[in-house]
Amino acid sequence: GQQLNQSPQSMFIQEGEDVSMNCTSSSIFNTWLWYKQDPGEGPVLLIALYKAGELTSNGRLTAQFGITRKDSFLNISASIPSDVGIYFCAGQLSPGTASKLTFGTGTRLQVTL
Amino acid sequence: DAGVIQSPRHEVTEMGQEVTLRCKPISGHDYLFWYRQTMMRGLELLIYFNNNVPIDDSGMPEDRFSAKMPNASFSTLKIQPSEPRDSAVYFCASSTRDSFNQPQHFGDGTRLSIL
Repeated sequence: GQQLNQSPQSMFIQEGEDVSMNCTSSSIFNTWLWYKQDPGEGPVLLIALYKAGELTSNGRLTAQFGITRKDSFLNISASIPSDVGIYFCAGQLSPGTASKLTFGTGTRLQVTL
Repeated sequence: DAGVIQSPRHEVTEMGQEVTLRCKPISGHDYLFWYRQTMMRGLELLIYFNNNVPIDDSGMPEDRFSAKMPNASFSTLKIQPSEPRDSAVYFCASSTRDSFNQPQHFGDGTRLSIL
């Protein structure tokens, strides 16, 4: 099935550093979502974006909906050890409906003390 | 509030056996999704239901896979006969259309190993 391209695939950073990751698609999406998955658990929603150009924050997390609607970015400021996990972007054609989610390939984040 | 509940959490079985995975969606959610996650292919949507009716099963890999939703609070994903390449983590998720900004909520998954 179709997947969104996420980069980087993995990151090793030190506690306190800022993190940036992005997600690109050849198709336009009307909703972008960012999920985090901890080991042995299901993905948990971090941020939802519904409008091209939108910039949304959730604590230390900030995400942007690309103006072309073909990409999105997630930034984490001042990383802490509990930020470790896999971050997935997901695109959806229609907001607030159950149209299919297309998931990215994931960015694995490791934080060292 | 209880989230999406999946069982079992882990299943190990021999190839050729029938496998049944179970899911209880969040109460009041009228959409239910089954996903499969592997290292090679990431998260893939297998099938989803709306009001207990299958809407899109185009992601179901082959006839060995089947899914049912007999009522609003229960769904099963069955593999018969199972093969080693079916080994993966299977997730169930649910959502509702009632709220504009209510995306899908995932269960903790079933880790399936076919020997």
